[in-house]
Amino acid sequence: KQEVTQIPAALSVPEGENLVLNCSFTDSAIYNLQWFRQDPGKGLTSLLLIQSSQREQTSGRLNASLDKSSGRSTLYIAASQPGDSATYLCAVRPNDYKLSFGAGTTVTVRA
Amino acid sequence: DTGVSQNPRHKITKRGQNVTFRCDPISEHNRLYWYRQTLGQGPEFLTYFQNEAQLEKSRLLSDRFSAERPKGSFSTLEIQRTEQGDSAMYLCASRSGHLQETQYFGPGTRLLVL
Repeated sequence: KQEVTQIPAALSVPEGENLVLNCSFTDSAIYNLQWFRQDPGKGLTSLLLIQSSQREQTSGRLNASLDKSSGRSTLYIAASQPGDSATYLCAVRPNDYKLSFGAGTTVTVRA
Repeated sequence: DTGVSQNPRHKITKRGQNVTFRCDPISEHNRLYWYRQTLGQGPEFLTYFQNEAQLEKSRLLSDRFSAERPKGSFSTLEIQRTEQGDSAMYLCASRSGHLQETQYFGPGTRLLVL
């Protein structure tokens, strides 16, 4: 069974600091890995999707890396802003049927 | 593209009552997923449809839960004889048949069982 772990569970930083969020998974046989953002009481918004053959993806201030062999991914958010405050979820896709999610990292960016 | 929609957005019910949730996927998406998310946890897979066929059900989906997608478009998730442990956010997602495409999530239905 695929297990996805996210560390830390919560993070509080001053505005402008770079954020580093970690995700690890136990089974390297995945199609892709995805990072989502979730605001309180809301659904999920996809941030970045990395195919299993890729090493990283970038979108604006966001960069995600993938090391499939070691079962790790890292999401970097540069120059954090208060609007980045949310829960960030990592999900791996082991087959065609579903995503397996971590419990998330809750980020607070202090103005 | 109106995105994935879910109704109702919130539902409060008493233990033992039946509830039904609806999900309308993005129109051209033939794959539809239901997930359940409890407080402080990531979403957990419940079931998956390809067109109208239900191809996989999680062990989380007890016999009190039933899901349908009768015409391969919208889907319903029914919970019979609700229990307090059913209180959660129920999320629906859809995607096209392209292997590399992401799942698009709806806003969720938050269920509270009293």
